Amino acid sequence: NAGVTQTPKFQVLKTGQSMTLQCAQDMNHEYMSWYRQDPGMGLRLIHYSVGAGITDQGEVPNGYNVSRSTTEDFPLRLLSAAPSQTSVYFCASSPLGAGNQPQHFGDGTRLSIL
Amino acid sequence: KNEVEQSPQNLTAQEGEFITINCSYSVGISALHWLQQHPGGGIVSLFMLSSGKKKHGRLIATINIQEKHSSLHITASHPRDSAVYICAGGKTGNQFYFGTGTSLTVIP
Repeated sequence: NAGVTQTPKFQVLKTGQSMTLQCAQDMNHEYMSWYRQDPGMGLRLIHYSVGAGITDQGEVPNGYNVSRSTTEDFPLRLLSAAPSQTSVYFCASSPLGAGNQPQHFGDGTRLSIL
Repeated sequence: KNEVEQSPQNLTAQEGEFITINCSYSVGISALHWLQQHPGGGIVSLFMLSSGKKKHGRLIATINIQEKHSSLHITASHPRDSAVYICAGGKTGNQFYFGTGTSLTVIP
């Protein structure tokens, strides 16, 4: 059972570079989301999707783009990386909405921006 | 002030001890989630509860809706329980309010 798969696990970027963090799930979940985790802070929601073709902003969306062309995949794009985006990023999924469904998390992507 | 507060922030216990981690929330929620994060690892959902108590192995989670408080208990703690435990309040729809986590270290 693959569950939620995130790639890459680690990445170092230079300021201004762009990249895409990949997230795929094989559980046919409608809801997918991206969080960032920073020291001393709780997980913060970046973007989420309630199904293919539908995305919405979370708490900290600036500097990130998402798209959901299939149920399985929900990539997160950094358009022009900034040091403030150094963080650990988690993708999560659940069958329906997030609040009252158990969330399935990926292993995280540790991203450093120099 | 965070909508979800956890205590303590850090906890060190001897193997075999009974452990309690507390979570208080100030917003209306439809479910309370407990998550576990091992060092360098991903996040695993332990419990989701909206009332009463749930038990899984040596882990017990309780919630008091009136007092807006939840606890996670670990009985007969073991070094493999060392992890960060995160409390999160979920609202119907797509909102989560996360605590900042409790870092637990169990010493053999």
